[in-house]
Amino acid sequence: DVQLVESGGGLVKPGGSLRLSCAASGFTFSSYTMIWVRQAPGKGLEWVSSVSSYSTSKYYADSVKGRFTISRDDATNSLYLQMNSLRAEDTAVYFCARGPNGSGSHAYYWGQGTLVTVSS
Amino acid sequence: QSALTQPASVSGSPGQSITISCTGTSSDVGGYNYVSWYQQHPGKAPKLMIFDVSKRPSGVSDRFSGSKSGNTASLTFSGLQAEDEADYYCSSFTTSNTWVFGGGTRLTVL
Repeated sequence: DVQLVESGGGLVKPGGSLRLSCAASGFTFSSYTMIWVRQAPGKGLEWVSSVSSYSTSKYYADSVKGRFTISRDDATNSLYLQMNSLRAEDTAVYFCARGPNGSGSHAYYWGQGTLVTVSS
Repeated sequence: QSALTQPASVSGSPGQSITISCTGTSSDVGGYNYVSWYQQHPGKAPKLMIFDVSKRPSGVSDRFSGSKSGNTASLTFSGLQAEDEADYYCSSFTTSNTWVFGGGTRLTVL
């Protein structure tokens, strides 16, 4: 069975940093695009970042560009999101999800999410 | 990276057919056949219901269908059921190689 398990969320002060992890299992991790999506409390979904298979390409939402860095370790089937210069508006549940194997932009499998709270 | 436009809420009675629209631009919805739809119940992760405009993942009821015309995509429910009550989000690939979601639509089953 495919599983995605996020970790690393928590409370951090504005300007601080946090690194989220996503442990993947049950599929050939290296072959799939992986993404991060967030959802602020009571708000809708927002795509944050994606990394293509074999880390060929990385893309970011304008709202996080220059502050967040996505990476993957195909040897350990892990996805990461390094978040720097955090702001109150980054407060959200962060989901990792498996994108397509090849072209497209859909996410069939999702983790349960990890909550990031940015507050002083 | 402006969000796709969805109605904030829709409602219908059991057995009724309803449609949720998702309007973008030629840089996203209109430019690619990569529109997907997600269902989200409170406190849960999103669930993929439709991908590539009109394809259904295995296990998703055929009461759900997707379509697209120009810059507007649609999700149609035929035969609304109580368990369909949830939030629904559309998503599209964009010319910037990014993804964009709609603002979400709350479906209420009366």
